[in-house]
Amino acid sequence: GIQVEQSPPDLILQEGANSTLRCNFSDSVNNLQWFHQNPWGQLINLFYIPSGTKQNGRLSATTVATERYSLLYISSSQTTDSGVYFCAVEAGGFKTIFGAGTRLFVKA
Amino acid sequence: GAGVSQSPSNKVTEKGKDVELRCDPISGHTALYWYRQSLGQGLEFLIYFQGNSAPDKSGLPSDRFSAERTGGSVSTLTIQRTQQEDSAVYLCASSRSLSGGVLSEQFFGPGTRLTVL
Repeated sequence: GIQVEQSPPDLILQEGANSTLRCNFSDSVNNLQWFHQNPWGQLINLFYIPSGTKQNGRLSATTVATERYSLLYISSSQTTDSGVYFCAVEAGGFKTIFGAGTRLFVKA
Repeated sequence: GAGVSQSPSNKVTEKGKDVELRCDPISGHTALYWYRQSLGQGLEFLIYFQGNSAPDKSGLPSDRFSAERTGGSVSTLTIQRTQQEDSAVYLCASSRSLSGGVLSEQFFGPGTRLTVL
């Protein structure tokens, strides 16, 4: 089956710093999503981005489907950005595969 | 509008008992997903419904797990003869159908934390 790898696994930032999270996938996909899981466990959809670039405030994402990767950019990080960031891809049959996540901690 | 809701929020049960977990998707969302998340881990796909049909049940961990959806809305995930390894957070998500058979982004409920003693 399709493999989804995220890097880095862990990331510590000073408030105000920028970061890039990466998601690699092993086969073509129908769509790709980025999620943030807050410290209370709630999953929030950040981007639905099978290809191209999208921006939402301090966050942006780019998916290059032909090269099988996606990037999530966080600029001017805030302590509220802490949590786990997941990349999820939909392969055939609507089965959704999640990566292992990037655990982010932003220090004040 | 209302988001995805799940009940109960927490469930503690004894090994060997059956449990039922409930998911209420966002109104009008045709697709519904169940996932399992063990402590500190990623999400494991369990099953997907389009309407009341589940075309792919291969993600269910064993034959003790079953799920159904009625009226294209509420879904229940049933775990029979629970085992300690079933302890996890069970998450439900829903999405709507777009043109061309594509599904929109998934919206998640708060989850049910299951503890099997």
